[in-house]
Amino acid sequence: SQQGEEDPQALSIQEGENATMNCSYKTSINNLQWYRQNSGRGLVHLILIRSNEREKHSGRLRVTLDTSKKSSSLLITASRAADTASYFCATSGGGNKLTFGTGTQLKVEL
Amino acid sequence: EAGVAQSPRYKIIEKRQSVAFWCNPISGHATLYWYQQILGQGPKLLIQFQNNGVVDDSQLPKDRFSAERLKGVDSTLKIQPAKLEDSAVYLCASSSVTGKRLYEQYFGPGTRLTVT
Repeated sequence: SQQGEEDPQALSIQEGENATMNCSYKTSINNLQWYRQNSGRGLVHLILIRSNEREKHSGRLRVTLDTSKKSSSLLITASRAADTASYFCATSGGGNKLTFGTGTQLKVEL
Repeated sequence: EAGVAQSPRYKIIEKRQSVAFWCNPISGHATLYWYQQILGQGPKLLIQFQNNGVVDDSQLPKDRFSAERLKGVDSTLKIQPAKLEDSAVYLCASSSVTGKRLYEQYFGPGTRLTVT
């Protein structure tokens, strides 16, 4: 079963714009992770935020977590064509078992 | 550092046939995972090993799927007999039990299975 639901399902933006995608989940978590998947590099870990953290940055990525609302958002700033991919949130409730969401398909156009 | 290796990359079989997938994790990674990813969905965990023991196989259809990691390194996932709905990409991942990147999973390229 899918724990997370990403929103929107698909997003198309111009290069240089920011992209925001959201994830909602159902049960309590230890951490939440974001992964990117494209045909060239497969599924790659982007960033992890722990349940006691509210915001985290990594390069052009910014992740927020609101455990009271059971939601997270991923912001990609100054997007590039190479950011075109599917983005998944994945939650871990313990034991490092990940439950992935349904994904957001991001297309960055030149 | 070599990544997670999987083979074969593609496989086409007829329903009711058997198939096996192989995975070699990143050296030193104690935890190994098999996921099934159906087109348009996120990966779904099938089984998780730590060393050669099973940690979680609650979503593995045990009537037809089996997996082993006999020496705590590489692993094999088998489907016997295959059904049409098993058509998916099978992803192997591994992670460390120590260190800064403790919770990060590293994925292989996957095996795309088509059952006809």
